[in-house]
Amino acid sequence: EAQVTQNPRYLITVTGKKLTVTCSQNMNHEYMSWYRQDPGLGLRQIYYSMNVEVTDKGDVPEGYKVSRKEKRNFPLILESPSPNQTSLYFCASKSTGVGLSNSPLHFGNGTRLTVT
Amino acid sequence: AQKVTQAQTEISVVEKEDVTLDCVYETRDTTYYLFWYKQPPSGELVFLIRRNSFDEQNEISGRYSWNFQKSTSSFNFTITASQVVDSAVYFCALSGLPRGGYNKLIFGAGTRLAVHP
Repeated sequence: EAQVTQNPRYLITVTGKKLTVTCSQNMNHEYMSWYRQDPGLGLRQIYYSMNVEVTDKGDVPEGYKVSRKEKRNFPLILESPSPNQTSLYFCASKSTGVGLSNSPLHFGNGTRLTVT
Repeated sequence: AQKVTQAQTEISVVEKEDVTLDCVYETRDTTYYLFWYKQPPSGELVFLIRRNSFDEQNEISGRYSWNFQKSTSSFNFTITASQVVDSAVYFCALSGLPRGGYNKLIFGAGTRLAVHP
């Protein structure tokens, strides 16, 4: 089954304790992205990656890191989490082949992070 | 700058009522794409529809219909004969032309729809 898999679904942590949220897709998509969802703000892009070893900042990258060493994986790293990073996080992917630049994003099921 | 506005924060209806979710967008691109996504209480994001800026035909899919009007920069979503299972948060989103091979999806703030029995 074609899917984007995020882990964990729920995570409660304390300020300053490094954490990683994993994301993996099995559709051989070139493009992957992380969003955070906050009430009243919709989804805002954190980082994106056009392909392996190519990453770039989205609209709200502060406090986050990403890496894209393999095509299928795109982990989100919070080196020193803070309470303002409490949010619902989504990983997404899509193909960017010819004629597909505006294909729909496929989203993971989300990771609800609470930083106390 | 690109922007998507969903002015309705929450809508509450009784089952079988028709309901329209509004979406207004801003973009300077002449070619762009509009999307609707559904987020049910379970939290996942479900793709509903994509339209490109050159196709203003309304679209109907079962009880769902979409009205795209470039003259008013709107892409409204109507659910006919709403059902409890339609209860969800609905997001409208905009994507412009690729810049450097990349085109970002801009989301509205979402409209929470509650359908009561």
